[in-house]
Amino acid sequence: EVQLVESGGGLVKPGGSLRVSCAASGFTFSDVWMNWVRQGPGKGLEWVGRIKSKTDGGTADYAAPVKGRFTMSRDDSRNMLYLQMNSLKIEDTAVYYCARRGGMDVWGKGTTVTVSS
Amino acid sequence: QSVLTQPPSVSAAPGQKVTISCSGSSSNIGDNKNYVSWYQHLPGTAPKLLIYDNNKRPSGIPDRFSGSKSGTSATLGITRLQTGDEADYYCGTWDTSLSAWVFGGGTKLTVL
Repeated sequence: EVQLVESGGGLVKPGGSLRVSCAASGFTFSDVWMNWVRQGPGKGLEWVGRIKSKTDGGTADYAAPVKGRFTMSRDDSRNMLYLQMNSLKIEDTAVYYCARRGGMDVWGKGTTVTVSS
Repeated sequence: QSVLTQPPSVSAAPGQKVTISCSGSSSNIGDNKNYVSWYQHLPGTAPKLLIYDNNKRPSGIPDRFSGSKSGTSATLGITRLQTGDEADYYCGTWDTSLSAWVFGGGTKLTVL
């Protein structure tokens, strides 16, 4: 069964850092591009960024609001996707989802990140 | 303010049909290199892909759901509405100018 499971969310103070993870199973993780998408309270879905497969260069693209603060990485040997979030702001409070492939055909259930003093 | 514009809400009775529009520009929907996807999202659950590549349905998605694209707009159609279809629906595509994926603001479907 194809599955994505996010973890690592929590409460962090403004200016702090947090790393969330996404464990993939049921497919060849190394072959696919992966995305992070978030949904703030009362808001719609917002794309955070994507990371390409190593075959396609392994580079990442980011949405403007998080560029320079967030970093995506992947460990293909462990089938893991990561999102390192630094200099967190209150407006980063959201449920963070990982999603498979460019068209986002499979999603996890999300992990909640709360930025508050 | 989302790059893609959707109506905030739509409603219809069970058994009826509804359409949800998604309006963009020449750098996203209007760019023929970019394909539109549609997602269904119930709060607290994982979003589900309904339509990809403008009009294709993933395995397991009933043919009550359909997608189309024309110019800088796309449309999701849902026929034979069921109460279980009540959810938020989002369109999404790549924006060539922004070099970013963009979502519509979402449309809340109410099945009266």
